[in-house]
Amino acid sequence: DAGVIQSPRHEVTEMGQEVTLRCKPISGHDYLFWYRQTMMRGLELLIYFNNNVPIDDSGMPEDRFSAKMPNASFSTLKIQPSEPRDSAVYFCASSSTLTETQYFGPGTRLLVL
Amino acid sequence: KQEVTQIPAALSVPEGENLVLNCSFTDSAIYNLQWFRQDPGKGLTSLLLIQSSQREQTSGRLNASLDKSSGRSTLYIAASQPGDSATYLCAVTSGSRLTFGEGTQLTVNP
Repeated sequence: DAGVIQSPRHEVTEMGQEVTLRCKPISGHDYLFWYRQTMMRGLELLIYFNNNVPIDDSGMPEDRFSAKMPNASFSTLKIQPSEPRDSAVYFCASSSTLTETQYFGPGTRLLVL
Repeated sequence: KQEVTQIPAALSVPEGENLVLNCSFTDSAIYNLQWFRQDPGKGLTSLLLIQSSQREQTSGRLNASLDKSSGRSTLYIAASQPGDSATYLCAVTSGSRLTFGEGTQLTVNP
């Protein structure tokens, strides 16, 4: 398996624009997680899905953030409208169960100007 | 709310030295504890996972221990190499969440 795939790897956008981050989990993994990493706050869980259903979205910072998982092999994290404070590295991870190892993608480095 | 703390924040050692990284957590009701490695500009790589019923796990030169009752874990790296230079993150699974520490930035000097 190619591991968790994320796109784009880098994104530079202007404040107010919509940003869509994409993730393809490892095949057969039932859990998918979205994290955000910043210098100030470290790694934070934003939301996770089980069998394509959102289970815990309490980490989503505000209504500008939304995530979907239309099928078992694809998820998106959308920010609309984007703000400079959204600048961070966004990671997607997947696992076979909630308590087994999570496998992380390479991340998307987002810069909002 | 679970909180995870890692000490030290940064560590610089000469090649060949054995070293210990520390992790503590506030809520002992955990499912497991994981140690990850993160290289600059890269994602996280899982190194070791210790289930709550286990005391330690070993992989090559790495050994991780878990004392759930005291809320502590250590990652022991034997005979360190320059290629071990990275940030090491500790994370605990409690409830439905994985909570990360801030990490220890390790530099192994040739």
